[in-house]
Amino acid sequence: EAQVTQNPRYLITVTGKKLTVTCSQNMNHEYMSWYRQDPGLGLRQIYYSMNVEVTDKGDVPEGYKVSRKEKRNFPLILESPSPNQTSLYFCASSLSSGGNEQFFGPGTRLTVL
Amino acid sequence: GQQLNQSPQSMFIQEGEDVSMNCTSSSIFNTWLWYKQDPGEGPVLLIALYKAGELTSNGRLTAQFGITRKDSFLNISASIPSDVGIYFCAGRTGNQFYFGTGTSLTVIP
Repeated sequence: EAQVTQNPRYLITVTGKKLTVTCSQNMNHEYMSWYRQDPGLGLRQIYYSMNVEVTDKGDVPEGYKVSRKEKRNFPLILESPSPNQTSLYFCASSLSSGGNEQFFGPGTRLTVL
Repeated sequence: GQQLNQSPQSMFIQEGEDVSMNCTSSSIFNTWLWYKQDPGEGPVLLIALYKAGELTSNGRLTAQFGITRKDSFLNISASIPSDVGIYFCAGRTGNQFYFGTGTSLTVIP
């Protein structure tokens, strides 16, 4: 089944403790992206990647890192999480950078205490 | 970042009614997109618009790309209970996507 998977789905952590949220897609998509969703703000793009080893900042990249060593994986790294990074995070992928149909993962709800 | 304002924020309608929502931006976009998000899931693309003035339908959904390229609207005709969810507009510039704040739709049977 074609899908985007994220792990973990739920995470409660403490300020300053490094964490990684994994994202994997099995559709051989080139374009992958991370978003955060907050009440009243909609989805905001954090980082995106147009292909392996090609990443770029989105609208709200501060406090986040990403890497794209393999086509299928696009992990989101929070080196030193803070409470204002408490949010619902979505990973998405599309066939190419020109493609508009992004397939979204199920979301990861992160709470930073 | 670029701001996309969606209205209304929420709607409560009777089954069978038509729905209209819109999205405005302070910036010009080359592509407008409309997504639906069901509870506990990620957004799913409904309609993509590529040209100013373009009117596109997908079943009971119709969306238009505004002439100024700074706005778009989505209409849903003859609503049904499964239309419940949050509807997001999104604008694309280059390889970046900017989403609106969402319209929460409740359909009363």
